[in-house]
Amino acid sequence: GQQVMQIPQYQHVQEGEDFTTYCNSSTTLSNIQWYKQRPGGHPVFLIQLVKSGEVKKQKRLTFQFGEAKKNSSLHITATQTTDVGTYFCGSGGGADGLTFGKGTHLIIQP
Amino acid sequence: ETGVTQSPTHLIKTRGQQVTLRCSSQSGHNTVSWYQQALGQGPQFIFQYYREEENGRGNFPPRFSGLQFPNYSSELNVNALELDDSALYLCASSFRGRVVDTQYFGPGTRLTVL
Repeated sequence: GQQVMQIPQYQHVQEGEDFTTYCNSSTTLSNIQWYKQRPGGHPVFLIQLVKSGEVKKQKRLTFQFGEAKKNSSLHITATQTTDVGTYFCGSGGGADGLTFGKGTHLIIQP
Repeated sequence: ETGVTQSPTHLIKTRGQQVTLRCSSQSGHNTVSWYQQALGQGPQFIFQYYREEENGRGNFPPRFSGLQFPNYSSELNVNALELDDSALYLCASSFRGRVVDTQYFGPGTRLTVL
């Protein structure tokens, strides 16, 4: 299956600062899906990237898929307290299911 | 919300017992995948059901089994429970037929094995 590593594991930021999490693989990925999980909640789908070099934006969130399709990033501009949670990248799908990274826990200090 | 529902929300069992977890998929979806999420970890793929058959499986032993029904709802059964089975069990529904099937997760069942 497609293995993904996610860094950092934890990120503390002051409210209003930017945040970035990275997802890396040693092999070419067919796709990347990003999910957000609030404390005590379940993963909620954010976005899916399929094309090499693809960039997608959702308000303050910017998602990128690397040119070689071996890495991806999620960047949040001017974090807010509602951004708190764990951000997971996953790849694959279909009969093999999604392979997830361990997630980046975003902690925001007011 | 995704429209994926799971029951029960919480469950406590003892080692050696058996458990059945249930999932109703989102309207229009025909595929159900089950994941195990240990505390502080990402979800781990258990298996997937499509057209009432298991068509993909992760690295989980045979005591993890499942069913999918004609209405696309699904069950996850775990026999001979072990302490390490304590986790959040997530069901995800999707539509097979697209190039990449986006998976939508239910709220999960929190299983505690004592």
